[in-house]
Amino acid sequence: GAGVSQTPSNKVTEKGKYVELRCDPISGHTALYWYRQSLGQGPEFLIYFQGTGAADDSGLPNDRFFAVRPEGSVSTLKIQRTERGDSAVYLCASSLSPTGTGTQYFGPGTRLLVL
Amino acid sequence: TQLLEQSPQFLSIQEGENLTVYCNSSSVFSSLQWYRQEPGEGPVLLVTVVTGGEVKKLKRLTFQFGDARKDSSLHITAAQPGDTGLYLCAGGSTNAGKSTFGDGTTLTVKP
Repeated sequence: GAGVSQTPSNKVTEKGKYVELRCDPISGHTALYWYRQSLGQGPEFLIYFQGTGAADDSGLPNDRFFAVRPEGSVSTLKIQRTERGDSAVYLCASSLSPTGTGTQYFGPGTRLLVL
Repeated sequence: TQLLEQSPQFLSIQEGENLTVYCNSSSVFSSLQWYRQEPGEGPVLLVTVVTGGEVKKLKRLTFQFGDARKDSSLHITAAQPGDTGLYLCAGGSTNAGKSTFGDGTTLTVKP
């Protein structure tokens, strides 16, 4: 596709439920990033993949959060036992280069609301 | 922990005015990016600066990277309503994929 796509665009769930958020990066981009953006704040790094492997998962807040990228393209962010504090916009970005100078192209985000 | 502080947090001006927003850190970054984000969308990259003292111009926008690579500024000349949005700065490191974002400056340009 022309850009990074994320599905669903909006997700409403109940506390304690499990959710999956999907990211389709730009074709050919080997680096993929997940960020979380709360209202009034900038994006907060969660995890980044280089190919199929998680190169840095230091931003995952706890073991309820997990992400995979089994074929080095599409990635899924999984949240178990959701809590109200997980409500935020989850942004995905992809890049040709994993270094700090590589341009990251962001998707529109998935707005997660935990009731 | 590398932190980026942006100021002001909110800025409301009239069309045609000039403005400057700031991004400051106590840490050194190998590069610094400025993004603009509109409601309901992801951030869109405006510019990347990598050299201390570097100045880049993008039409009416002028970006400067501090000599010590710890701070940056964005100056907009003759602001237009289309400039309205959230301006985010982000710092990158040579050996790390992730970017560290500030909390942004929300700019409103009134016609």
